[in-house]
Amino acid sequence: DIQMSQSPSSLSASVGDRVTITCRASQSISNYLNWYQQKPGKAPKLLIYAASSLQSGVPSRFSGSGSGTDFTLSISSLQPEDFAVYYCQQSYSVPWTFGQGTKVEIK
Amino acid sequence: EVQLVESGGGSVEPGGSLRLSCEASGFSFSHAWMSWVRQAPGKGLEWVGRIKSKTDRGTTDYAAPVKGRFTISRDDSRNTLYLQMNSLKIEDTAMYYCTWVGPTSYPFDYWGQGTLVTVSS
Repeated sequence: DIQMSQSPSSLSASVGDRVTITCRASQSISNYLNWYQQKPGKAPKLLIYAASSLQSGVPSRFSGSGSGTDFTLSISSLQPEDFAVYYCQQSYSVPWTFGQGTKVEIK
Repeated sequence: EVQLVESGGGSVEPGGSLRLSCEASGFSFSHAWMSWVRQAPGKGLEWVGRIKSKTDRGTTDYAAPVKGRFTISRDDSRNTLYLQMNSLKIEDTAMYYCTWVGPTSYPFDYWGQGTLVTVSS
C-alpha cells in the first residue's frame, strides 16, 4: 500500500499569511494526488486534483504543485474561511489512501 | 446540481449488519465510478471501497480492514449506491460518506453529507 505523509500536522497562521502544506508519498504516484478541505461537521470538499488542477469554484488563492513523491498545497493569502483541516490523497493505485491531515488554525 | 444523499446509518451491536444507501442525482450515475469513504470520530479520512461503472465491468475494490465483510453494489435504474456491512466491529464506527469518483486522476469530486454508523454493545 502507498503511505501518504503530511507535514505539518497542524499550524497556526494569521489572515493574509501564505501557507504551505506538504505531502509525501511512499512511492512515486506521478500526479495522481488530490487535496481536500474539511470544516468541522461538514463533508470534505475537493480543492485540487491531478496535483495542480484547481477544482471548479475553488478560489485561485489555492494552488498545488509536485509530481512523483513530493507535493505541496499553497494558500497565497489565508482568509478566515480557510481555517480547516486539509487532506492529501493518492489515487494512483488501490487502496486509495489519505494523509493524516493538517489542521490550519488561527494565530 | 450534483446531489448525493446517504441513508441507513444507525446503531448496531458488534457482529450485526447494516445496509447504507446513497441516492444520486444531477449527473450520469450509470457512467460514474462511485466510492465510500469513512471517518471515525475525531480521526482522519479512510477509503472503504469503490465500484466502477457497468461499462467498466462494475469491478469492486475494498480496503483491507473491510474486505470480506463489506460489499458495494449499485442499482443504476434507481441511481442508488449501496454499502452492505456485515460482521460489524466496534472499529467500524464512523461517518460514512458516498462519493462520486471523477475522471482523469480519480478524485472524490462530490461528497454526500454522510450517515453515522455506531457499533456498540
